[in-house]
Amino acid sequence: AQSVTQLGSHVSVSEGALVLLRCNYSSSVPPYLFWYVQYPNQGLQLLLKYTSAATLVKGINGFEAEFKKSETSFHLTKPSAHMSDAAEYFCAVSDRRTGGFKTIFGAGTRLFVKA
Amino acid sequence: NAGVTQTPKFQVLKTGQSMTLQCAQDMNHNSMYWYRQDPGMGLRLIYYSASEGTTDKGEVPNGYNVSRLNKREFSLRLESAAPSQTSVYFCASSEWAGTGGGETQYFGPGTRLLVL
Repeated sequence: AQSVTQLGSHVSVSEGALVLLRCNYSSSVPPYLFWYVQYPNQGLQLLLKYTSAATLVKGINGFEAEFKKSETSFHLTKPSAHMSDAAEYFCAVSDRRTGGFKTIFGAGTRLFVKA
Repeated sequence: NAGVTQTPKFQVLKTGQSMTLQCAQDMNHNSMYWYRQDPGMGLRLIYYSASEGTTDKGEVPNGYNVSRLNKREFSLRLESAAPSQTSVYFCASSEWAGTGGGETQYFGPGTRLLVL
C-alpha cells in the first residue's frame, strides 16, 4: 500500500533563507511523486512532479525536488524564500498502475515566511 | 479556458438537509474526482470517475453519492448532511499522459460546507 509522510505540519523561515519541506513515501511499485501548493482559499495547483525522467525535478517559482530511492524521499527545496511562498504544500504519490485514481496526499506542511 | 469550476463556493446546512455540489471541467479530461480536505488530514478521496458513465468509491464514500452527468460534469450529493461532513470539498480532473508523463490533477477552487 502507498503512503506519504510529511515531516512537520508547520515550517517557518525568514525571507531569503533556504526552504526545505520533507516528504517520505512508501510504494510497492515505482511511483509518480508530486508536490502541490495551495494558497489561501484556493484549490491545489501542481508545483512539480517526478515521472522517472530525472531524479532532480525543477518546478515553478524556483522550487525543486530530488527523488532519492534509497531514502524513499522526495524533499522540496528553494534556495531563497520569498514572502509570496507562504502557503500550504502537499506531497503526493500515485501508483503507475492505477494513476491518479489512487493518488495519496500527505497531511500538508504550512510554510510561513517572516520578513 | 476556465479549468475546473465548482458551485457553490460556500454553503451552510442544517443536520439532515440535502444538497448537491456541482463541478465542471472544460479540459476534455476523462477522469474526475471529489476530495474532502480537513485540517491535518490532507485530501481524502470520496469518489472518482475514470470516464463518462463510471463511478467508484474512494477512501471515504459513506454519506455521499455522485453522478457523472456527462464528460464535463461530476456532481456530489449529500442526502442527509451531518456535522461530520463539515469540510472543504474539492473537485479535480485529470488525463493520463502515458508512463513518461504520468497524471496531473487539476483542482477547482473548493466549496466550504458547514453543517450545523
